[in-house]
Amino acid sequence: QVQLQESGPGLVKPSETLSLTCTVSGGFIGSYYWNWIRQPPGKGLEWIGYINYSGSTNFNPSLKSRVTMSLDTSKNQLSLMLSSVTTADTAVYYCARGNLVGTLDLWGQGTVVIVSS
Amino acid sequence: FMLTQPHSVSESPGKTVTISCTRSSGNIASNYVHWYQQRPGSSPTNVIFEDYQRPSGVPDRFSGSIDSSSNSASLTISGLKTEDEADYYCQSYDSTSVIFGRGTKLTVL
Repeated sequence: QVQLQESGPGLVKPSETLSLTCTVSGGFIGSYYWNWIRQPPGKGLEWIGYINYSGSTNFNPSLKSRVTMSLDTSKNQLSLMLSSVTTADTAVYYCARGNLVGTLDLWGQGTVVIVSS
Repeated sequence: FMLTQPHSVSESPGKTVTISCTRSSGNIASNYVHWYQQRPGSSPTNVIFEDYQRPSGVPDRFSGSIDSSSNSASLTISGLKTEDEADYYCQSYDSTSVIFGRGTKLTVL
């Protein structure tokens, strides 16, 4: 079965760039919308953005200026970069598979990122 | 637009609970609404998609609906079990964004 696994540094310094990877196993990365969602401690879900199978992207307007997403179909991986991080970016970061009508049917287990000096 | 959910609801085992999700602007029927369950320490899982569809493996105790008169969607869980205690999020989208409600904490006591 298809599984998603996020990975990346658990600790990032303020003003630096957060970089995460999501590896898709058991299935092909094509033909879906690949989303990043985050959840600050004790808070709700916040959509960061998505990249689709053709490389088109859409980002949360509140984060758009700091977000980059990419897809590597040869490695079955998607990546997230968030620049100029602050403590407000401390959260669990999830990757999730989506479709054209917004259903997020498969989620990774999430990875904790703490922004601290 | 925003999606507004009650902060928390509680009900007894065996009873039925309904969680609402009200869309602030635009027609609730314009874009599908999906629902997610998140148990403590776990990732969210989809329990209702496209307003009322249930993914395979989700018990039929879970049902979804939309009501254009109140511009809201609802998640109803019948025959409550202690394992249903979790946070529930509604989610929809528009042409450029995915939007989540702020979540409802369901306590089964």
